[in-house]
Amino acid sequence: NAGVTQTPKFRVLKTGQSMTLLCAQDMNHEYMYWYRQDPGMGLRLIHYSVGEGTTAKGEVPDGYNVSRLKKQNFLLGLESAAPSQTSVYFCASSSRATREYFGPGTRLTVT
Amino acid sequence: SQQGEEDPQALSIQEGENATMNCSYKTSINNLQWYRQNSGRGLVHLILIRSNEREKHSGRLRVTLDTSKKSSSLLITASRAADTASYFCATTVPSGGFKTIFGAGTRLFVKA
Repeated sequence: NAGVTQTPKFRVLKTGQSMTLLCAQDMNHEYMYWYRQDPGMGLRLIHYSVGEGTTAKGEVPDGYNVSRLKKQNFLLGLESAAPSQTSVYFCASSSRATREYFGPGTRLTVT
Repeated sequence: SQQGEEDPQALSIQEGENATMNCSYKTSINNLQWYRQNSGRGLVHLILIRSNEREKHSGRLRVTLDTSKKSSSLLITASRAADTASYFCATTVPSGGFKTIFGAGTRLFVKA
């Protein structure tokens, strides 16, 4: 099992550009999450999904959109990147209300 | 404000000593989890304690949960230099399904 994978690992964007981060899991988990982590801070929940075709807002959803068209994939989109979105993005998945399995992270810089 | 808050923010100890980290939270939870993060890496799950449990052990780790005080503690016994990392508590709360809220973490430095 690959577990949770994220692509890309690194990305540099200019202000106003758009991009999509892909998260994939092969554990048949119902729940998937997107977090961001800023230097010296914990993880903040952006959006999450409790099943295929469903999404919900987390703590810091503004400026991001998500889609869960397939159970194994959870996409995070930035329509118009801003420097404030410079961060490390982590995807995670879990079965219902159990431990989360994390991907290795995507380091995004917006200039 | 965040659901979980760890205390202390940073902790420096000698190898062999015990390290205790505390976590407080605000709302009812389904479970509480502790994770470790080495610098620049993803999070590694350490232990999960359910809301109806009071104490759990895993190797050198001991976690307690006091739901009346809305607090938890993580004890690492006989610490090693390899335990140097950031430690986060995370609470799973019922909310249109379940979602997990992380605290800001405790940075532990174990000196050899």
